[in-house]
Amino acid sequence: DSGVTQTPKHLITATGQRVTLRCSPRSGDLSVYWYQQSLDQGLQFLIQYYNGEERAKGNILERFSAQQFPDLHSELNLSSLELGDSALYFCASSVEWDRQNTEAFFGQGTRLTVV
Amino acid sequence: GQNIDQPTEMTATEGAIVQINCTYQTSGFNGLFWYQQHAGEAPTFLSYNVLDGLEEKGRFSSFLSRSKGYSYLLLKELQMKDSASYLCAVSATYSGAGSYQLTFGKGTKLSVIP
Repeated sequence: DSGVTQTPKHLITATGQRVTLRCSPRSGDLSVYWYQQSLDQGLQFLIQYYNGEERAKGNILERFSAQQFPDLHSELNLSSLELGDSALYFCASSVEWDRQNTEAFFGQGTRLTVV
Repeated sequence: GQNIDQPTEMTATEGAIVQINCTYQTSGFNGLFWYQQHAGEAPTFLSYNVLDGLEEKGRFSSFLSRSKGYSYLLLKELQMKDSASYLCAVSATYSGAGSYQLTFGKGTKLSVIP
């Protein structure tokens, strides 16, 4: 158990809908990362937050947004869902964002299926 | 941008040694991670290299050559439970924000056979 909690574990929804994925980082970790993993793709970095502020942005679609709350949990909002958004969405957390060897600890992921 | 290449699949025999290679091209390089991921599960940390050379940790070792943009993960005394995907990930400075971004390769699926 990495200490990172993601809910829900599974989510099935229809095209055009909106969903919210939730992540609670490890106790003491201030940085949260979101990744998308499709069937034949690697982990694609979406976005990073540190202590409530956005720190880095990757290949995140405009239909997707995220935020980190004062209690450090984070939510990833996916809207106008398309079939291609079906993937595993991982959240990871780390203590800091500005150290090169910062190890990221991953949650178990949310499997999103868009039908 | 970053480009990370690793073989898609490999097969090895229980008890043997296997080497998984990773090549990368990136600016602002600040280290290379290896993660293990069993199907449908979260990636778990295996190793980190920032200086050239070999880092050994039990049955697993990781090597880095910064000048060649090359790393490998060496797994010894293979066990059936080592069947998993192995992800090479490069840490690089994210321009403008002062943070380090971790970019993953597509992973190498290792199958260990009896």
